[in-house]
Amino acid sequence: NAGVMQNPRHLVRRRGQEARLRCSPMKGHSHVYWYRQLPEEGLKFMVYLQKENIIDESGMPKERFSAEFPKEGPSILRIQQVVRGDSAAYFCASSPLQDYGYTFGSGTRLTVV
Amino acid sequence: DAKTTQPTSMDCAEGRAANLPCNHSTISGNEYVYWYRQIHSQGPQYIIHGLKNNETNEMASLIITEDRKSSTLILPHATLRDTAVYYCIALFYDKVIFGPGTSLSVIP
Repeated sequence: NAGVMQNPRHLVRRRGQEARLRCSPMKGHSHVYWYRQLPEEGLKFMVYLQKENIIDESGMPKERFSAEFPKEGPSILRIQQVVRGDSAAYFCASSPLQDYGYTFGSGTRLTVV
Repeated sequence: DAKTTQPTSMDCAEGRAANLPCNHSTISGNEYVYWYRQIHSQGPQYIIHGLKNNETNEMASLIITEDRKSSTLILPHATLRDTAVYYCIALFYDKVIFGPGTSLSVIP
């Protein structure tokens, strides 16, 4: 029973490029949550999605960031035109019910050079 | 969700019990107390949760006061691998919002 799978584990992008982070939830989980952790800071909620729907994006930056969770396939967090300040660890969690029983992935470490 | 307050940091000797306190004086009747931890650079890990009864699992015990205004997470025999940031969160079917937590250092 695989846990929440995030890939890649490490991602390096040059300023101005696009970053795509993938999250495959646990089997049977249809709720996905993305969090960001800047260096030496705490975990900040970004967005909550169900299949094909964004439920809560109150923590998403207004520009350059988007997320999706299609009917088939993993959830994608997309960052366009990355800047150095986007360098962080991005964690995904999934749950079988809304806001209950979170399981977190190991994260993607994004470095913008 | 109710706000929780935790000490910024704590030390514990290896092999001894680690007792991590959490205050949640504004907790409402239906809010659960959840504990997560984050070992350096890893994803957060669920530890335990409870409503009003004390709970125990293979990782830890959770003691909730009768008035539910505070709780204590107990790691019965702390090891070096328990060094982590521990988060206490009070919520009822809402997204998990992490505070600063308690940084626990287990010392040899």
